[in-house]
Amino acid sequence: DQQVKQNSPSLSVQEGRISILNCDYTNSMFDYFLWYKKYPAEGPTFLISISSIKDKNEDGRFTVFLNKSAKHLSLHIVPSQPGDSAVYFCAASGNGQNFVFGPGTRLSVLP
Amino acid sequence: DSGVTQTPKHLITATGQRVTLRCSPRSGDLSVYWYQQSLDQGLQFLIQYYNGEERAKGNILERFSAQQFPDLHSELNLSSLELGDSALYFCASSQGGDADNSPLHFGNGTRLTVT
Repeated sequence: DQQVKQNSPSLSVQEGRISILNCDYTNSMFDYFLWYKKYPAEGPTFLISISSIKDKNEDGRFTVFLNKSAKHLSLHIVPSQPGDSAVYFCAASGNGQNFVFGPGTRLSVLP
Repeated sequence: DSGVTQTPKHLITATGQRVTLRCSPRSGDLSVYWYQQSLDQGLQFLIQYYNGEERAKGNILERFSAQQFPDLHSELNLSSLELGDSALYFCASSQGGDADNSPLHFGNGTRLTVT
């Protein structure tokens, strides 16, 4: 039973354009959501998070949007850069416990 | 650098053997989490410790066990190893505590190969 889903295994985007990565969750007890970036042979790196009391959080080129009614969140990267090419994981937790990760989306930013 | 240190980076061992993976959390973090990633799959939660006490258990096999020591470092013990245990094992830490919305910070993992 996948509580956190990332239905696109991969995504290709042209450099300079917007990358939109999507994530859906099923557990209504989740109240904290995060995005991580992972390069090969490294651990996941924290990118940005959002609490369920907000619907948007922005940090530089990265913006996370949360739609609680749809149980959906997305990560926007603008403008996309070749160095953004990595696997992106969506994660969710309830009450600061039990961080559940999605299967990941491989983003390729083409020069 | 996340501040989370995992040793060893690589481990090759035979079926039936036992290994210990070690993790030192970021300075000030009280919670340690262990995750398993097999063959480009997602991160599967194994177990969490907070300030020396087990806090949550995920899909951890009975052959696996963990502990967190008074200095807050943690060890994951894997015994009676099988070929299917070959994976990347990640440790992560956070400030921890109930209702504490702080992100996890990951180490670079230990790659275990069972032959």
